[in-house]
Amino acid sequence: QVQLQESGPGLVKPSETLSLTCTVSGDSISNYYWAWIRQPPGKGLEWIGWIYYRGNTNYNPSLKSRVTISVDTPKSQFSLKLSSVTAADTAVYYCARFAAVAGPNWFDSWGQGTLVTVSS
Amino acid sequence: QTVVTQEPSFSVSPGGTVTLTCGLSSDSVSASHYPSWYQQTPGQAPRTLIYSTNIRSSGVPDRFSGSILGNKAALTITGAQADDESDYHCVLYMGSGIWVFGGGTKLTVL
Repeated sequence: QVQLQESGPGLVKPSETLSLTCTVSGDSISNYYWAWIRQPPGKGLEWIGWIYYRGNTNYNPSLKSRVTISVDTPKSQFSLKLSSVTAADTAVYYCARFAAVAGPNWFDSWGQGTLVTVSS
Repeated sequence: QTVVTQEPSFSVSPGGTVTLTCGLSSDSVSASHYPSWYQQTPGQAPRTLIYSTNIRSSGVPDRFSGSILGNKAALTITGAQADDESDYHCVLYMGSGIWVFGGGTKLTVL
């Protein structure tokens, strides 16, 4: 049973860069796509982007200019960097796994989420 | 910009049936959008309910079902129970590696 755990600072200052890491255990990080998803307080979910274990990425067009997702396969980790943050980036950030590598897909495993607050 | 639409809120009586929908602002939803549904209770991570339109995830009770109804994806709960009171999120694949969530539906069982 795969487990995902987010880690990183819970407080980030405006205009700085938010950095989070997701550690994967219980299964290999290889041969899967991995995603970051966020949820502002009281609002719905927003897909941020995904990364394949080989390093291919795709980002939400609305965030693309500020987002970088990377992977460290030996450490079974993948990471999110979001630059120039504002209060609107305050959210619970989830990492998740895509179930498939081709064809129909969905998010089959989720981390517990970590709240990141943007405030001075 | 593509918008995925969901009812903001819905209520159902215990034992009743409710259908939540997931639509597109400027298109019809089809199986090729790979609609999936997630249940979320306060303070918890989402839980996968339905994927590929109508396939129940492991351990999900058969009172939950998915379908395409008209031009929308739909999640139907038949025989609603008190612990079905949750937020329900849908997500659609828009092509070119892009995924878009709806705003979520808050379901009340009373």
